[in-house]
Amino acid sequence: IAGITQAPTSQILAAGRRMTLRCTQDMRHNAMYWYRQDLGLGLRLIHYSNTAGTTGKGEVPDGYSVSRANTDDFPLTLASAVPSQTSVYFCASSPRIGSPLHFGNGTRLTVT
Amino acid sequence: RKEVEQDPGPFNVPEGATVAFNCTYSNSASQSFFWYRQDCRKEPKLLMSVYSSGNEDGRFTAQLNRASQYISLLIRDSKLSDSATYLCVVKGISSGSARQLTFGSGTQLTVLP
Repeated sequence: IAGITQAPTSQILAAGRRMTLRCTQDMRHNAMYWYRQDLGLGLRLIHYSNTAGTTGKGEVPDGYSVSRANTDDFPLTLASAVPSQTSVYFCASSPRIGSPLHFGNGTRLTVT
Repeated sequence: RKEVEQDPGPFNVPEGATVAFNCTYSNSASQSFFWYRQDCRKEPKLLMSVYSSGNEDGRFTAQLNRASQYISLLIRDSKLSDSATYLCVVKGISSGSARQLTFGSGTQLTVLP
């Protein structure tokens, strides 16, 4: 089934640990995004990629890094997790920047 | 002022009721507008785009008021399955940056039997 796959579905992580959230899409979309969703704050953009090989910072990029080695994959890395990074993380893609987004199922991350 | 503001609700309405949500945006140059639906603990899904002349999709009607800088979503004949959070999304004018997509915090709707 075409779409976006995120892994893991949920994770409990000790503060200070490194963690990579995986995201893969098979729709050949050029643009990909990472959002975090927190109660009362809505969806906030962390990083994005217009196309393979390029990335850009969103609204809340600090503490996160991304790479876009190919069209399909867009992993998000927390180099040293902190409790404030406890959130639900959504990966999304779209044919091009600004067109409607298709979201993955989300990763629920708890940093203790 | 937030770029995109929505009444968080919750809106509790009986089955069959008509309910409307508004969403205001601060950037008068915003170009495109969307409504997304998000079920509890699930990912957001595109409900409909909002066109300048207004548009309808079954029981759902979306309208844009550029003068007052708001968009609206009207749901007629509410169903239990309409219970969800409705997110307003506004696209700005700058090209090449994903920052131009701004999400509202969402309006929670519960349709009661």
